[in-house]
This record gives sequence, C-alpha cells and structure tokens, in this order.
Amino acid sequence: ETGVTQTPRHLVMGMTNKKSLKCEQHLGHNAMYWYKQSAKKPLELMFVYNFKEQTENNSVPSRFSPECPNSSHLFLHLHTLQPEDSALYLCASSHGQGGYEQYFGPGTRLTVT
Amino acid sequence: KNQVEQSPQSLIILEGKNCTLQCNYTVSPFSNLRWYKQDTGRGPVSLTIMTFSENTKSNGRYTATLDADTKQSSLHITASQLSDSASYICVVSAAQAGTALIFGKGTTLSVSS
Repeated sequence: ETGVTQTPRHLVMGMTNKKSLKCEQHLGHNAMYWYKQSAKKPLELMFVYNFKEQTENNSVPSRFSPECPNSSHLFLHLHTLQPEDSALYLCASSHGQGGYEQYFGPGTRLTVT
Repeated sequence: KNQVEQSPQSLIILEGKNCTLQCNYTVSPFSNLRWYKQDTGRGPVSLTIMTFSENTKSNGRYTATLDADTKQSSLHITASQLSDSASYICVVSAAQAGTALIFGKGTTLSVSS
C-alpha cells in the first residue's frame, strides 16, 4: 500500500447523475493531485493542490469540480459527465509541489453510461 | 515540446527471460527521470529515480540506465517473473515551476509461463 486511498474503486453513473470521488493520504504530504488515465494515452494531470490551495487546473471542463478541505483529503465532484469521461481517475500526493516523488492511490474506475 | 516516447508499446516474454524497455525524451530543462510499475487496476508505484548525474540505478531485478546526452533511458528486467506483468511508465520531471511531470504512454509487459 502506498498510503493513498481512493473510494469508490469502481463507479458507474449516468450522464445526468452527480457523484463524488474521494482521496485520502496518510503520508503527511502537502500536495495532492488528480489524474485521468485513458486507454492507450499517457496520464493526464487535471488538478494540483498545494497546502489546500489549487495551484494548477489543466483546462479541465467545469463538469469536474475539485475540492480540498485539508492537506489529507481531496475530492472530485462529477456532474453531467459524457461517455468519453470514462477512465481510471488516479489521486496522488507528494511532499511538496514540483519534482517530488508522487505516491499514487489505486484509482477509481469510472464508467459513464 | 516536452515529450516522452516509450518503446515497445507491448512485449510478451517467457518467464525467466530478460527484457529491456526503452524511453526517449525531449524534456528540457531536465530534472530527473522515474520508472513506475503499474499493475492492472492499481496506481503506479515508483521503481527508480535518476538525476542528471546518475547513469545506473538498481532496484532488485530492475536496473535503469540514463544517458543524459542522448536523452535516453532503459529499464532492464532480469529473470522475469509472472508478477512482472504490468505497465511500465517512464516519467520525466522538468526543472521549472509547477508540477512539470511528463508521462510516457507506457510499455505493457506480459510474462507467460
């Protein structure tokens, strides 16, 4: 185990649903990240939080809404998703932002029907 | 443009055999290079990390090399085991503000008995 947990591990939702993904890290890290991993494509960085403040948003559609209430927890709120949003969503944390090693959670496999 | 290219895209080998995975990058300025192993349905786990001055780094049966002049890295797996079946991802960190991690698409390795 890497010290980063994600729930749920699998999620199936319709395009009109609202759901949330949760990530928790037990490593005392200050930076947390959301990534999208689609088949045959590199990991895509979505959002970065450092000390609870959002520092990066890589042009992610507004149907994805992140929330970071503290340095240990990160949420990704989902609403009115599209089928092409189906992917593995990975959370990661690191000591700080920049070139620090990132520790990944197991991911949430999301299917949008 | 910062890019990381990995080859081959997929590889099948017999248990006990050795193999080498390749990573070419055009990231500048370079900070460090990591190899991650990602089992199916799991998050990536770091295998090695190398900075500009390091040529070789080993982690058990995994040995990574780095040639900063040609901007190439390789991951050599010795005496492969069934548990080595996974995706291997090369990640290069750029020495700049922000997260600046550039991910390769990965090489999918299948080890058969």
